[in-house]
Amino acid sequence: QKEVEQNSGPLSVPEGAIASLNCTYSDRVSQSFFWYRQYSGKSPELIMSIYSNGDKEDGRFTAQLNKASQYVSLLIRDSQPSDSATYLCAVSSRGGGADGLTFGKGTHLIIQP
Amino acid sequence: DADVTQTPRNRITKTGKRIMLECSQTKGHDRMYWYRQDPGLGLRLIYYSFDVKDINKGEISDGYSVSRQAQAKFSLSLESAIPNQTALYFCATSGAGVNYGYTFGSGTRLTVV
Repeated sequence: QKEVEQNSGPLSVPEGAIASLNCTYSDRVSQSFFWYRQYSGKSPELIMSIYSNGDKEDGRFTAQLNKASQYVSLLIRDSQPSDSATYLCAVSSRGGGADGLTFGKGTHLIIQP
Repeated sequence: DADVTQTPRNRITKTGKRIMLECSQTKGHDRMYWYRQDPGLGLRLIYYSFDVKDINKGEISDGYSVSRQAQAKFSLSLESAIPNQTALYFCATSGAGVNYGYTFGSGTRLTVV
């Protein structure tokens, strides 16, 4: 049974600070890793993907992957109130998500103005 | 128009009724998925399809069936709805290969009374 674990939160961060979201996964052969943002009542929206160990930056977002530790994280710099949402970590154990992504339950992030 | 369209957006039905949720996509992708989302349980995969002739069960397929009518259309049916099938249902589509992410529809909120 593949598992993806996230702290459910809520994680409260002051506006302008760095928000750090963490995710661990159980399947050692996992290859593809994704972060989705989901506003309440809305559908998940892909914000980052990462496949190799190390950091990947896209604007205010940085994804970090450590396959040896089975750990993936998302950093949000200069947090804005509009970043308040639930962030879902998703993992695929075969390149390209051949059997569908396994999602964590999400971390609820609150950015305090 | 949205890339992935789900109908209906909201539905209330009675226990024992048959109901179909429909999904269509304009992305031109072969891969389509059905997920349900429950508070505290996250997103769970019901069925997925890699092309019209390829249908696969996901984590929680019992009580559900699907039909892939065309590359662009993937329907989910509840043959005899029960109250614990009350949830938010999402259809998603993706391309093949490692450099992709899922595109989700807006969701169908289903209530079984």
